[in-house]
Amino acid sequence: DAKTTQPNSMESNEEEPVHLPCNHSTISGTDYIHWYRQLPSQGPEYVIHGLTSNVNNRMASLAIAEDRKSSTLILHRATLRDAAVYYCILQNTGNQFYFGTGTSLTVIP
Amino acid sequence: DGGITQSPKYLFRKEGQNVTLSCEQNLNHDAMYWYRQDPGQGLRLIYYSQIVNDFQKGDIAEGYSVSREKKESFPLTVTSAQKNPTAFYLCASSIEDTQYFGPGTRLTVL
Repeated sequence: DAKTTQPNSMESNEEEPVHLPCNHSTISGTDYIHWYRQLPSQGPEYVIHGLTSNVNNRMASLAIAEDRKSSTLILHRATLRDAAVYYCILQNTGNQFYFGTGTSLTVIP
Repeated sequence: DGGITQSPKYLFRKEGQNVTLSCEQNLNHDAMYWYRQDPGQGLRLIYYSQIVNDFQKGDIAEGYSVSREKKESFPLTVTSAQKNPTAFYLCASSIEDTQYFGPGTRLTVL
């Protein structure tokens, strides 16, 4: 069973905010929520992570639902360089990271 | 520069041959991971190692083997028992809660 569920693809206009959703209804109380992004033929790149509280960094914001069964990655102003596949991932206490199938983000100029 | 290196970037092998993929890191990370990625799919965990001389199977370990004799190195062997080895292989290391990935090796078995 998939631990995370994401839409296959999304589009956004350049310089507009993007909200990428993720469902993780079977998350345990100690699992961290991570987001990574991947460009074609490259390794994934860390974006942000959190446990319970919303998180902000220079790349993005992470909004975590109160019941932790879903989360949303927010890119405040999409640029062409943000076009990538975005993965929502759960990390357990054994340091295993479970990747979903990701959302392919297209940014329209 | 600190980072993770994987070599080679592209690798071709004949069916039935074992092949070893290299992964080296100079980040002083204890944990290292191997993932497999098929076209249009997410990453699936093959093996991971939390510390030198110790490693655990991931979700798709059958047909693969690893060793962790040094902190810096975590080579992956794709054996002839792996029925569908053509894929993109990614190595990662981690400290605290963040994983750092190498550039990947694209293995094609002919």
